[in-house]
This record gives sequence, structure tokens and C-alpha cells, in this order.
Amino acid sequence: QVQLVESGGGVVQPGRSLRLSCVVTGFTFNDYGMYWVRQAPGKGLEWVAVIWYDGSNKYYADSVKGRFTISRDNSKNTLYLQMNSLRAEDTAVYYCARAEDFGSGSAPYWGQGTLVTVSS
Amino acid sequence: AIQMTQSPSSLSASVGDRVIITCRASQGIRDDLGWYQQKPGKAPKLLIYAASSLQSGVPSRFSGSGSGTDFTLTISSLQPEDFATYYCLQNYNYPFTFGPGTKVDIK
Repeated sequence: QVQLVESGGGVVQPGRSLRLSCVVTGFTFNDYGMYWVRQAPGKGLEWVAVIWYDGSNKYYADSVKGRFTISRDNSKNTLYLQMNSLRAEDTAVYYCARAEDFGSGSAPYWGQGTLVTVSS
Repeated sequence: AIQMTQSPSSLSASVGDRVIITCRASQGIRDDLGWYQQKPGKAPKLLIYAASSLQSGVPSRFSGSGSGTDFTLTISSLQPEDFATYYCLQNYNYPFTFGPGTKVDIK
């Protein structure tokens, strides 16, 4: 059974950093690309970043480029999102999701999300 | 980045109604589009991938069509559990982009 479990969310002050994790089970992690998607309170979904199955390629939304870094540890079946220079507008539920293939396609599996609140 | 639009932004419908939601891309995206359903407080759920392929386990009343810039999601006979918000997502090129969503509620 495929499971994705995010953690690391919480309340953080503007300008500070936070690292999210997503531990996966139920599939061969190093065969698939992974995404981060976020949703601000009461708003729609926003695609944040992708990392290819082997970590060789990473792409970001313009809104987070230069501040966020996606990474993975295939030996630990874990995906990360390092978030630096956080802003109030980064407040959202952050979801990790598995890609259909090595780094693209739709997202058939999702975690339950972790809430990040950026506030002083 | 490719811009995605959806219409309508919301609609009210009754159980048994046929519902059609449209999604338009600002440039051609072949059939690299998925449709997602989201209920309040829950993660999105993939319904349709590659514009018209039904995800495993999704009821056959859901269908998708389109290619290039114009796409539709059709619910042939709306059921009580289908009241939710629906999003399209282009996965043609990075950064991927979602449409703004269509909220389907009870008339």
C-alpha cells in the first residue's frame, strides 16, 4: 500500500527557515519523481517543485525559486523541501506527491499534507 | 509559465445532473493534463491523466477529453460524493501549473 507522510510543518517567523520531510512506503522510491504542491488557506493548489527519480533534475515555481530547495535521500525513502527566507505568503498546507514516472506526468499518490504558518 | 484557466469557477447542480468543466491552456500542451478532485481538508485525488485516461479505481461516470489547449472534465451523472472542487494540472513543461479550480456544490 502506497503511503506518503509529510512532517516538519509548524509556525515560523518571516525570514527564517524550515525543512519539510516526506517519508514514503509501498513503492520503489528511487524509480519515481516526486513533487511538492501547496495550498494557502482558502485558496487553490499551487505546484511548487519536482525532483527526478535520481535527483539529477529539479525545477521550481517562480514564486519559490532561489528560496526553496527540493532534495531526496533514496536510501531513506525520504523527500525534503528546504524553505529559506520564508514569507507570509508561503503560509500553506504542503503536500508531497509521487509522479507517474521518473519526473513527470500526473500525481496518482499524495500525502495528507503538513501546515506551514509564517507569522511573527 | 503556462497559464491555465477553468470555467466555470463554481456551479450548483443536482444529483443526477451532467456536469461539464472546461480547462484552457495558454499554449498547446498536447494531452499532458490531469484532473483532480479535492474535498475540504483532504489531499487532492487524481481522476484523469493524459487528458482522457481514467485513473484506476475512479468511477466511470468521470471522463476527460481534449488536446492542445482545450480540455473538458465530464461527470455523466452527479453523485452526492462528487460535490467537491476540481482542478486541472498541466504537466507538459516545468513549472507545472494548476487551474484555479471549479467548485461544484449542491443546488
